[in-house]
Amino acid sequence: GESVGLHLPTLSVQEGDNSIINCAYSNSASDYFIWYKQESGKGPQFIIDIRSNMDKRQGQRVTVLLNKTVKHLSLQIAATQPGDSAVYFCAESLTGGTDKLIFGTGTRLQVFP
Amino acid sequence: GAVVSQHPSWVICKSGTSVKIECRSLDFQATTMFWYRQFPKQSLMLMATSNEGSKATYEQGVEKDKFLINHASLTLSTLTVTSAHPEDSSFYICSASRPGLAFSDTQYFGPGTRLTVL
Repeated sequence: GESVGLHLPTLSVQEGDNSIINCAYSNSASDYFIWYKQESGKGPQFIIDIRSNMDKRQGQRVTVLLNKTVKHLSLQIAATQPGDSAVYFCAESLTGGTDKLIFGTGTRLQVFP
Repeated sequence: GAVVSQHPSWVICKSGTSVKIECRSLDFQATTMFWYRQFPKQSLMLMATSNEGSKATYEQGVEKDKFLINHASLTLSTLTVTSAHPEDSSFYICSASRPGLAFSDTQYFGPGTRLTVL
């Protein structure tokens, strides 16, 4: 189902450290998962995606891990930078990017020097 | 990368008036566009799915007569909030899907429209 929340959980990390943001998705039938970054007052920006037949996918400084057994998704950001500060959402879809997305609650990442 | 624009970026209106928000895919044709609403410090909630040339599919709880969606072309979808009230104040975001890429047939999001109803 759709996720709503009164406030966002926050992850605070020091610049240069690695960040891990977690997400629990809702539908075991979902086949496609995406991580988005959203800065204040802007639309979500695509970071990385993964299909259900994979358990890991790497991009530039980011890695997504998928554990279908427990319906868990994580985003790892290596060498976190101040520009990474934003709200991060995971999203799931039954079939792919042309299908509707159900967004998770979101996590605010704060990077301090 | 693919670019999706929204207009206006923000709008303030009086209660009872109608407001139209445009969503355009600038460099690709989008057969499907989506409209989301986001309240402060909350996640995006899907309102409706819009396919070019057909009626929009609304999510449960979203009033189709209040939120009119028109997808007249492969690059333009509009959301009209009719008889807006203060509780309709929110951040409205559209997205457009770009099929055909090898792996990432992802959705591309617009910058959002901040609606404030007085």
